[in-house]
Amino acid sequence: EAGVTQFPSHSVIEKGQTVTLRCDPISGHDNLYWYRRVMGKEIKFLLHFVKESKQDESGMPNNRFLAERTGGTYSTLKVQPAELEDSGVYFCASSQGLAGVNEQFFGPGTRLTVL
Amino acid sequence: AQSVSQHNHHVILSEAASLELGCNYSYGGTVNLFWYVQYPGQHLQLLLKYFSGDPLVKGIKGFEAEFIKSKFSFNLRKPSVQWSDTAEYFCAVNGYNTDKLIFGTGTRLQVFP
Repeated sequence: EAGVTQFPSHSVIEKGQTVTLRCDPISGHDNLYWYRRVMGKEIKFLLHFVKESKQDESGMPNNRFLAERTGGTYSTLKVQPAELEDSGVYFCASSQGLAGVNEQFFGPGTRLTVL
Repeated sequence: AQSVSQHNHHVILSEAASLELGCNYSYGGTVNLFWYVQYPGQHLQLLLKYFSGDPLVKGIKGFEAEFIKSKFSFNLRKPSVQWSDTAEYFCAVNGYNTDKLIFGTGTRLQVFP
């Protein structure tokens, strides 16, 4: 069974540019999550999809971030325009089952560097 | 505020030494507790979890953790580490009916042969 995949693995962009990150969850997982780790700090929750609906987007830092999950399969996270503080590793995870007790399976992450 | 504290940022051990990584949390209400591990070049993966019942939980690769509710702690232990345990370890918590994981800052463990 294929795990969670993310694309690209690395992205280097200049301040003000736009970047789109993609996440493909494990097939059949209705829950999809985005997290971010800024260097040296904790992994922080960004948002949670259940199928195509945003269940919880309380962690989205500001309106420069837009997450979508059309059709309830893969998800994209767009940063527009990117700022220096957006640099970090963006993780995607997916799960199935009841809230709170299901295991979240993580992807390898996308390392974003904003210059 | 909801938070997780991992007091050990970097731990260096020799093989066969015992390991204990501290984790304390601040969270109102019933919690679920997790330890995740990220081996070099690999994905974050679940090491063990506590939902309810026996506060001593066993995970993969000989790891265990004990939930002490009165201390708001969920420390990770292993009696004898191996070189292959070199990794970064993350403690995390979520609420009873929410998927939002709150992570600690991680502990980098280096084990030397």
